Amino acid sequence: AQKVTQAQTEISVVEKEDVTLDCVYETRDTTYYLFWYKQPPSGELVFLIRRNSFDEQNEISGRYSWNFQKSTSSFNFTITASQVVDSAVYFCALIGNQFYFGTGTSLTVIP
Amino acid sequence: GAGVSQSPRYKVAKRGQDVALRCDPISGHVSLFWYQQALGQGPEFLTYFQNEAQLDKSGLPSDRFFAERPEGSVSTLKIQRTQQEDSAVYLCASRGGHTEAFFGQGTRLTVV
Repeated sequence: AQKVTQAQTEISVVEKEDVTLDCVYETRDTTYYLFWYKQPPSGELVFLIRRNSFDEQNEISGRYSWNFQKSTSSFNFTITASQVVDSAVYFCALIGNQFYFGTGTSLTVIP
Repeated sequence: GAGVSQSPRYKVAKRGQDVALRCDPISGHVSLFWYQQALGQGPEFLTYFQNEAQLDKSGLPSDRFFAERPEGSVSTLKIQRTQQEDSAVYLCASRGGHTEAFFGQGTRLTVV
């Protein structure tokens, strides 16, 4: 079975704080892809990152960084020096035959 | 266009009415997905096409839901005899190969 768990339902931080969004997944596949998507109030899902199961190298893109640990089946997402524009719902997803989404973490950055 | 386009953006239907939601995927993308997203929830899988073939429709909640992609490009999700529990945002995504899926802005369906 494929499953993605985002235990944090809502997070609020003050602007410029760092924040980490947790994602834990389950899969029996040996090859798989993990994704993070951002869903701002406009509703569109915006792609942030894709990681395949063979690449555990952490990635940094500007204020965003991702920590993929196969041993703990986690793919956590950190925003450094958060900004108000980061306020959105963030979804972690796993792809097998389809995309399996977590329930999302709603991030509010308070100015 | 460059992205996935969905129409209409908003649809209000009276209970019992049939609706049709359209998705124009990115040109050349083989895979097309439909998802249903209820308020405050993550997207839930409905169905998946590879070209014109509907390979997985296990997520369709009832036989009132029907999707097609007859020429392997544009797809239509049809809901017959809509009910209030059908109210949700319907998201379409397309994907080419082992890449990320690009999502449209969704159609917000409200059944009154």
